[in-house]
Amino acid sequence: GENVEQHPSTLSVQEGDSAVIKCTYSDSASNYFPWYKQELGKGPQLIIDIRSNVGEKKDQRIAVTLNKTAKHFSLHITETQPEDSAVYFCAASKAWGNTPLVFGKGTRLSVIA
Amino acid sequence: DVKVTQSSRYLVKRTGEKVFLECVQDMDHENMFWYRQDPGLGLRLIYFSYDVKMKEKGDIPEGYSVSREKKERFSLILESASTNQTSMYLCASNPRGQITYEQYFGPGTRLTVT
Repeated sequence: GENVEQHPSTLSVQEGDSAVIKCTYSDSASNYFPWYKQELGKGPQLIIDIRSNVGEKKDQRIAVTLNKTAKHFSLHITETQPEDSAVYFCAASKAWGNTPLVFGKGTRLSVIA
Repeated sequence: DVKVTQSSRYLVKRTGEKVFLECVQDMDHENMFWYRQDPGLGLRLIYFSYDVKMKEKGDIPEGYSVSREKKERFSLILESASTNQTSMYLCASNPRGQITYEQYFGPGTRLTVT
């Protein structure tokens, strides 16, 4: 089955700096890669996703890149703000195979003001 | 807005007790999921359901069962709670045909088994 590795497990950045979180996946048939953000005391919430027919997607300060050949994808947050502090999860699945998401272990991001 | 609610935010049970965790969604979603979240282990899928009375095992179904009698409600059952089931439990839902598209999560139930 699919296995998703996520690094780093913790990340501290100064406010205004960029943050990058990386994930690798094992199943070359996976074609849908979402990122979820979990704030303290809340359930995870989707912040951005990408499909395998796209190499990069951007939404304001966040962007995701996908390298299908290397089977890795990354989340980039620019101009970080204190409210970006949270736990971030990457995930992978075969969207057209009716299979559930497989999540990485998460990255705790701390933005220091 | 999609709303997924879970019956309790915090729950303390004794070893051997039967425990019910309830999840209700108000957006008529066909698919519902139960995960457990542990530090350093991320989100692990316990069971999911893509229709009423349907259920599928996830990655860690041992020690758990589920019930989906109504479309909006998905229950997780611990038949005989054990201390290694102390965890945060998260419920999620999304609409049919998009099983891997956005999942909407509840706030979680932190279960402690003593």
